[in-house]
Amino acid sequence: NAGVTQTPKFQVLKTGQSMTLQCAQDMNHEYMSWYRQDPGMGLRLIHYSVGAGITDQGEVPNGYNVSRSTTEDFPLRLLSAAPSQTSVYFCASRGLAGDDEQYFGPGTRLTVT
Amino acid sequence: GDSVTQMEGPVTLSEEAFLTINCTYTATGYPSLFWYVQYPGEGLQLLLKATKADDKGSNKGFEATYRKETTSFHLEKGSVQVSDSAVYFCALSFTGGGNKLTFGTGTQLKVEL
Repeated sequence: NAGVTQTPKFQVLKTGQSMTLQCAQDMNHEYMSWYRQDPGMGLRLIHYSVGAGITDQGEVPNGYNVSRSTTEDFPLRLLSAAPSQTSVYFCASRGLAGDDEQYFGPGTRLTVT
Repeated sequence: GDSVTQMEGPVTLSEEAFLTINCTYTATGYPSLFWYVQYPGEGLQLLLKATKADDKGSNKGFEATYRKETTSFHLEKGSVQVSDSAVYFCALSFTGGGNKLTFGTGTQLKVEL
């Protein structure tokens, strides 16, 4: 049982490049989400999904796309990277009950130059 | 909308000191409440939770009580250790409505010998 896995751990992009951050979970969780963590701002929700084929925007969705073709995977796409997207990105999953624990991946540290 | 407010950090304590990290929330209804901890270089992990008023969550010597009348969920520990140095996040969640977790901005704790 690997929990929530993310790849890569580190990435450096040039402005305008695109890339996909990968996220997978093996706990059969319906709910998956992406956050970015910036100093002094805590965690901000980018996109989330409550099941395969269903996605919705969070607090800071601009510049990011997601899809959920399977229960296990929830990739995050940066279409045209900008320096403002330099951050640490966390993927998370949980069940749908309100008191379910949310499990976080180890994070991807992204730098856009 | 729902929100969580935490005390500003960093909080610096000597080993064996008493810890309190304040957390208050604004929400319509009665959410589940959580404390998550993030150790350096890692993702967040659940520390404790409470699902209804007057519940006390506890784990690893930490505890927090769900106070409906003051909309608070303050984190306490009687005697901190150097290994408790981390960032602590208060969060709330409702069942349904996307089942999102709303986080506070986090409080960094540094414990010194």
